Amino acid sequence: GDSVTQMEGPVTLSEEAFLTINCTYTATGYPSLFWYVQYPGEGLQLLLKATKADDKGSNKGFEATYRKETTSFHLEKGSVQVSDSAVYFCALSAQTGNQFYFGTGTSLTVIP
Amino acid sequence: DAGVIQSPRHEVTEMGQEVTLRCKPISGHDYLFWYRQTMMRGLELLIYFNNNVPIDDSGMPEDRFSAKMPNASFSTLKIQPSEPRDSAVYFCASSWGGSSYNEQFFGPGTRLTVL
Repeated sequence: GDSVTQMEGPVTLSEEAFLTINCTYTATGYPSLFWYVQYPGEGLQLLLKATKADDKGSNKGFEATYRKETTSFHLEKGSVQVSDSAVYFCALSAQTGNQFYFGTGTSLTVIP
Repeated sequence: DAGVIQSPRHEVTEMGQEVTLRCKPISGHDYLFWYRQTMMRGLELLIYFNNNVPIDDSGMPEDRFSAKMPNASFSTLKIQPSEPRDSAVYFCASSWGGSSYNEQFFGPGTRLTVL
């Protein structure tokens, strides 16, 4: 079945460091891929998405490229800030739509 | 738009009591999802509705859990009787259309503590 595997956390980085959170997926057909972010005490918010191979989603300095050949959708940011501290979820929506499959979440803490 | 609205935000109850969680999806959205989040199990899909009809309830843990959607703007998740292991954050999410392109919009969650 469809699934998402993402990098285990927690991740701790110093401010202005480079961030990569790995995400790989298993799916039939052509899913859409998403990154969600959850700040403490809040619900999940969409960070970025990509709906077809080689698409790059970007938002707030974060980027992720839909790589069908490696079935990956890694999240990157060139220079993290303290305000980026949150839990990040990779998710997949199957080609047939409706249901999402979420990864386990990766907790990021950025220290000044 | 007000976003997905959930109530209450926090609920503390004693084992054996009935708990009802409420959700108002974004106007115009035709899909509604209930999730449960715990440290141990992460984010789990419990049930989802399309046009007020339950489509997949395979994630509902046991008969103590039930969900309804009497109209397009309201859904409830009920636990009766509640148990300490039900303690979690429960999220409601909504989306529009059946396309895989469309993101889900999450509410702020209800933090449930069962003593």
